Amino acid sequence: AQSVTQLGSHVSVSEGALVLLRCNYSSSVPPYLFWYVQYPNQGLQLLLKYTTGATLVKGINGFEAEFKKSETSFHLTKPSAHMSDAAEYFCAVSDGGNQGGKLIFGQGTELSVKP
Amino acid sequence: DTAVSQTPKYLVTQMGNDKSIKCEQNLGHDTMYWYKQDSKKFLKIMFSYNNKELIINETVPNRFSPKSPDKAHLNLHINSLELGDSAVYFCASSQDRDSEAFFGQGTRLTVV
Repeated sequence: AQSVTQLGSHVSVSEGALVLLRCNYSSSVPPYLFWYVQYPNQGLQLLLKYTTGATLVKGINGFEAEFKKSETSFHLTKPSAHMSDAAEYFCAVSDGGNQGGKLIFGQGTELSVKP
Repeated sequence: DTAVSQTPKYLVTQMGNDKSIKCEQNLGHDTMYWYKQDSKKFLKIMFSYNNKELIINETVPNRFSPKSPDKAHLNLHINSLELGDSAVYFCASSQDRDSEAFFGQGTRLTVV
């Protein structure tokens, strides 16, 4: 079985500060890992994904994440927060299609950005 | 053009009613999904279809019945609506079962 834990249901940073959203996963098979962002009253938008290969993946809007197998982590970072980054962020894991492609989501982290 | 579109965006209905949510994707994807987001924003898969064939049914009550008339459409019909069905329902699609999913805007269902 797979699972995802996001540490911190709410993170608040100042504009221009580093953003760090934490995600740990559990998987008995090599995981596929994703970060999605959800703006109010909207659907989920893919920020970035890790499947195989390079463990540091870059996504849209200046976000990146590093897959660390030894720590079972896939934390999301951005060097400098912008007001427009305020949203709900979801980390998700799948097993690459063996279970029909379903995503197992973490509980989400709400990011607030203070001016 | 919207990649994954759902209708309606909002749905308010009384307990006991039957309602449907429609989903269409114009991405040419083979796999489509329904996810439910509860009031605490937790997302959980309900169903997955691949080439019109049901491949995932995550212990959803049989009041929920998905129907895929073709690869581009996956509709969700709900019978005898209950208060606990109130949630946001998201349709999604992916090229295949190991690709990222693209989500629709969601349908906010409120049962009163």
